[in-house]
Amino acid sequence: DAGITQSPRHKVTETGTPVTLRCHQTENHRYMYWYRQDPGHGLRLIHYSYGVKDTDKGEVSDGYSVSRSKTEDFLLTLESATSSQTSVYFCAISGGTSGVNEQFFGPGTRLTVL
Amino acid sequence: QKEVEQNSGPLSVPEGAIASLNCTYSDRVSQSFFWYRQYSGKSPELIMSIYSNGDKEDGRFTAQLNKASQYVSLLIRDSQPSDSATYLCAVNEGSNYQLIWGAGTKLIIKP
Repeated sequence: DAGITQSPRHKVTETGTPVTLRCHQTENHRYMYWYRQDPGHGLRLIHYSYGVKDTDKGEVSDGYSVSRSKTEDFLLTLESATSSQTSVYFCAISGGTSGVNEQFFGPGTRLTVL
Repeated sequence: QKEVEQNSGPLSVPEGAIASLNCTYSDRVSQSFFWYRQYSGKSPELIMSIYSNGDKEDGRFTAQLNKASQYVSLLIRDSQPSDSATYLCAVNEGSNYQLIWGAGTKLIIKP
């Protein structure tokens, strides 16, 4: 898994509650990404980071925010979870010796919003 | 809208045969192309990257790139049941480092 962990791995929460997912890497890669994966939609980019405190929106960023205070950690927050945010969330990293484009994925977090 | 298109499948191939997976992309300036394998319930795993026109071989896998026709393919020789998975094609977005993803092709290798 290229030294990438995600926590929690599974979470069930209720509509309206805040949720924070954590991605931690030990590879010192510059770029980090949050994706969601849903049947029929493939991988969709939520937010990404190109350095500490440097983040930007992806194609499905509404309802999500991110923070990156250290190279190794990238947090994804759902301020008020909705049922439409039930999904599998993957963190990815890139920017190592294999180049900026090659992305390596964490194990994923399965989130269910009731 | 930049797109990466893949046949969703499932593609069923007998064990020992060659599996051929195809992908087309819309962004003419893309320079980096990737194939990922994803087993059910697992995360995507990078198996091949290709940057130049032609073929690139790695064990039983061969990636083929044709920039003029804007397609990239993955051949799996001597297919094994363990190759059964969804294969995702990804292409970099223009001169950007972000990737555009296809929805994936489900491959089933029948013993």
